[in-house]
Amino acid sequence: QKEVEQNSGPLSVPEGAIASLNCTYSDRGSQSFFWYRQYSGKSPELIMSIYSNGDKEDGRFTAQLNKASQYVSLLIRDSQPSDSATYLCAVRPNTGGFKTIFGAGTRLFVKA
Amino acid sequence: ETGVTQTPRHLVMGMTNKKSLKCEQHLGHNAMYWYKQSAKKPLELMFVYSLEERVENNSVPSRFSPECPNSSHLFLHLHTLQPEDSALYLCASSQDRTGGTYGYTFGSGTRLTVV
Repeated sequence: QKEVEQNSGPLSVPEGAIASLNCTYSDRGSQSFFWYRQYSGKSPELIMSIYSNGDKEDGRFTAQLNKASQYVSLLIRDSQPSDSATYLCAVRPNTGGFKTIFGAGTRLFVKA
Repeated sequence: ETGVTQTPRHLVMGMTNKKSLKCEQHLGHNAMYWYKQSAKKPLELMFVYSLEERVENNSVPSRFSPECPNSSHLFLHLHTLQPEDSALYLCASSQDRTGGTYGYTFGSGTRLTVV
């Protein structure tokens, strides 16, 4: 079992729709969860972090965490073509130290 | 300069060459990282330095040698690489002192091609 799993996509949504990106993780004791956006040919950029169960909203982005189900998601409201990118889920396992485990990413394509 | 700066952006090297990647962070962060990103694969952690001390070495071949002379600079020395080492090498920094809860700021990466 992969430590952090994401559907590779591509996920295609029309402009203005809600894009839903999902991620599951294997370490039940994980405490910190992150979403990064990576445009083609660029480096990842941190867009959301979440530490507690529930929802966290930042502009058009909402991160959702369910530790019991070991599931974290990212919702993008009013999707724009500029949101087209690969979204990486990252998890800090509860093993101490500095390691962050990344998923392979989900490619999102927003059609104009 | 702001953020995390990596040089060079692109590097082509032969298998017998020696080269170095450089990373500099201007954020006052405490930890610095080297990650490898290959196509279709998750980012792979290579090395972590916290306050100039190496705290993670993720079973990386000895042909990769990190150096952290101070908390703002990080190098990755490369020698006798293999074609399968071709990838995007990313430097990152974070505020963590004890492997805490902060996300990373990434540099722009070095696209390495080994021929």
